[in-house]
Amino acid sequence: GNSVTQMEGPVTLSEEAFLTINCTYTATGYPSLFWYVQYPGEGLQLLLKATKADDKGSNKGFEATYRKETTSFHLEKGSVQVSDSAVYFCALSDPSTGANSKLTFGKGITLSVRP
Amino acid sequence: DTAVSQTPKYLVTQMGNDKSIKCEQNLGHDTMYWYKQDSKKFLKIMFSYNNKELIINETVPNRFSPKSPDKAHLNLHINSLELGDSAVYFCASSQQGAAGELFFGEGSRLTVL
Repeated sequence: GNSVTQMEGPVTLSEEAFLTINCTYTATGYPSLFWYVQYPGEGLQLLLKATKADDKGSNKGFEATYRKETTSFHLEKGSVQVSDSAVYFCALSDPSTGANSKLTFGKGITLSVRP
Repeated sequence: DTAVSQTPKYLVTQMGNDKSIKCEQNLGHDTMYWYKQDSKKFLKIMFSYNNKELIINETVPNRFSPKSPDKAHLNLHINSLELGDSAVYFCASSQQGAAGELFFGEGSRLTVL
């Protein structure tokens, strides 16, 4: 079956530090990959996505590249801000399953950014 | 104008009671979902409906019964609540063919005492 593994957290960084959050996946087909963000007290929001190998998703200064050879989709940001403090979820979906397609989430990692 | 709205936002109740959570989306999406988030933030899909038809039922106890009166609404009814049902329940929706791009509600925090 499909699965997503995220690095253990929580992660605490100072403002303007470089961020990397690791994510690897296992999938039987050709999944699409996603990063979702959950700010305190809110629902999840799609941050970025990539639908095929070597695609790079980007949004709000965050980037992630779909690496089929290493089955990874690591999230990076060059300079984090206090407002980036949130829980980050890596996820995959297998579009070949059509209407039965669903998102499989990783465990999530909490990022705290200090001023 | 909230895209996916859930009510109530907070629910505190006793074991054995029956409760419902309502969800509505105004995005015109065909597919709606219920997810459960536990205390460690782990998210697990419970149900998925496409145009009022049940598509995914992820080994959820029979005490949980979703109902979709139309494609804009997906309600969750829970019978005989147990302590382990305490969690945050998220409703979400997506357009058919874009299953990974979900729009989530703000969540309903259920506490069973």
